[in-house]
Amino acid sequence: NAGVTQTPKFQVLKTGQSMTLQCAQDMNHNSMYWYRQDPGMGLRLIYYSASEGTTDKGEVPNGYNVSRLNKREFSLRLESAAPSQTSVYFCASSRTGTNGYTFGSGTRLTVV
Amino acid sequence: QQQVKQSPQSLIVQKGGISIINCAYENTAFDYFPWYQQFPGKGPALLIAIRPDVSEKKEGRFTISFNKSAKQFSLHIMDSQPGDSATYFCAASKETSGSRLTFGEGTQLTVNP
Repeated sequence: NAGVTQTPKFQVLKTGQSMTLQCAQDMNHNSMYWYRQDPGMGLRLIYYSASEGTTDKGEVPNGYNVSRLNKREFSLRLESAAPSQTSVYFCASSRTGTNGYTFGSGTRLTVV
Repeated sequence: QQQVKQSPQSLIVQKGGISIINCAYENTAFDYFPWYQQFPGKGPALLIAIRPDVSEKKEGRFTISFNKSAKQFSLHIMDSQPGDSATYFCAASKETSGSRLTFGEGTQLTVNP
């Protein structure tokens, strides 16, 4: 019973490099989310997918793209990493409607 | 814009004491108010949640108090224990727009033995 699985757990990138953060859930949830966590700023929504085949921008989408590959998987891509994207990234999922989110354990990304 | 404001940023409490964390929201359409608990190196986990049709909800040592007119809600941790040391986030959402949560800034709670 894995819940939400994120890979990788840690990553160091050089400015300008690209990478994809992977997220998969096994709870048959419809909705999936990507948040970033920065000290003193809480969790800020980057992108979300209310259901398979749909994606929408959140509060801080600039510099990111997402793909809802299927019901289980929701990936986050940084096309050209910048130091301002140094953060801890969390993927979450929920059933449609207001239910508790289940979060992954996070990806700590450092851009140098 | 920050639609959910949380205070204090950090809190130190002695074992057995009461921990109180406060949140204020702006959007009167919000109708779901959860609290999440996060331990170091882990993702946040749902702790307790309330809807505005009640003024208080209690689960064990954790209680949410809700004041709709003041647009404020708070988390009270009774008989605080060192194992409660974590970061706590309040959040809010409008159910009609799906379940996108807006989070507060977080409170780092330390409970000293």
